Amino acid sequence: NAGVTQTPKFQVLKTGQSMTLQCAQDMNHEYMSWYRQDPGMGLRLIHYSVGAGITDQGEVPNGYNVSRSTTEDFPLRLLSAAPSQTSVYFCASSTPTVKDTEAFFGQGTRLTVV
Amino acid sequence: RKEVEQDPGPFNVPEGATVAFNCTYSNSASQSFFWYRQDCRKEPKLLMSVYSSGNEDGRFTAQLNRASQYISLLIRDSKLSDSATYLCAVRKAAGNKLTFGGGTRVLVKP
Repeated sequence: NAGVTQTPKFQVLKTGQSMTLQCAQDMNHEYMSWYRQDPGMGLRLIHYSVGAGITDQGEVPNGYNVSRSTTEDFPLRLLSAAPSQTSVYFCASSTPTVKDTEAFFGQGTRLTVV
Repeated sequence: RKEVEQDPGPFNVPEGATVAFNCTYSNSASQSFFWYRQDCRKEPKLLMSVYSSGNEDGRFTAQLNRASQYISLLIRDSKLSDSATYLCAVRKAAGNKLTFGGGTRVLVKP
């Protein structure tokens, strides 16, 4: 069972570079989301999607873009990386129609922007 | 005020002791409540959902107090392996986004 797969696991970027964090799930979940986690801040929602073709902003969307062309994939794009985007990024998926549904997380991407 | 708040700890707990901590939420429309466990440098994993009447899973007991808008987690007979950060999460409705607290760190010591 692959579950939620994130790539890469580690990345170092220079300020101003762009990159895409990949997230794929094989559970046919409609709902996918991206969080960032900084020390003492818990998980903060960046963007989320309730299904293919539908995305929306979370709590901290600035500097990030997303798209959802398929149910399985939900990539997160950093257009011009900044040191403030140094963080651990987690992708999660769940089934939105069930009230107490569990969110499954990928293993995370540790991003450093220098 | 943050939507979901937790005492960051750490809670230093002797092995075999009981520890309890709370999580407060500000939105009274919240419907679903969860406790996640996160080990160092790992992804969060669901520990248990929290039901209105309270629920238990082995040594773990979760309670919901809607009037005071908080959930709690109690760990009995603490094991060294219980050392982790415990994140509470709140959802307003099915399909709506999950909001996390900052986490409570628990350190169980021999």
